[in-house]
Amino acid sequence: GAVVSQHPSWVICKSGTSVKIECRSLDFQATTMFWYRQFPKQSLMLMATSNEGSKATYEQGVEKDKFLINHASLTLSTLTVTSAHPEDSSFYICSARAAYSNQPQHFGDGTRLSIL
Amino acid sequence: ILNVEQSPQSLHVQEGDSTNFTCSFPSSNFYALHWYRWETAKSPEALFVMTLNGDEKKKGRISATLNTKEGYSYLYIKGSQPEDSATYLCAPNTGNQFYFGTGTSLTVIP
Repeated sequence: GAVVSQHPSWVICKSGTSVKIECRSLDFQATTMFWYRQFPKQSLMLMATSNEGSKATYEQGVEKDKFLINHASLTLSTLTVTSAHPEDSSFYICSARAAYSNQPQHFGDGTRLSIL
Repeated sequence: ILNVEQSPQSLHVQEGDSTNFTCSFPSSNFYALHWYRWETAKSPEALFVMTLNGDEKKKGRISATLNTKEGYSYLYIKGSQPEDSATYLCAPNTGNQFYFGTGTSLTVIP
């Protein structure tokens, strides 16, 4: 149980393109979804926390207009990197949690984004 | 943003050795401490969730302890096996926000 599916797993695109990444909880309802970014040889950096039906809470230093997050249903959250540039190239990974409690997060497999 | 530190950054041990590593975090506004194992080419897998000071959790050869007053948690692996090779991440959460440490990369040499 507790499967999270993230797509696509790898994206290569030209500078200026907008890229959408989907995160789906397949067998549970995700009250909260998290989006992380990992820079080379560093840990997971929390970008934003989103609760179903409300606006995402962005961490300090993360541009909300650049990284659009939508959590329209209890099983789907999307991250759109708008007008991506080479510095946006990174590994992005989502996670989902069933309830506001001590439940662990369940992670997707991540998306490797390469902007040329 | 919470300052979460894990040490050591990397560790190489021989198969059969026991090992342990540390997660340090601010003790104020503490809610729970999570440990994850992240194997290469897989997604992070939840190991433990601990909330109470003095908590000790065990899963097979892996166990963890928690000290919320001083802000640290230890993860222990008894009799390490090659399949234990992974990055071990800790993440304290304050309410609904999680902040991951930099991780300890463990390599178990057969």
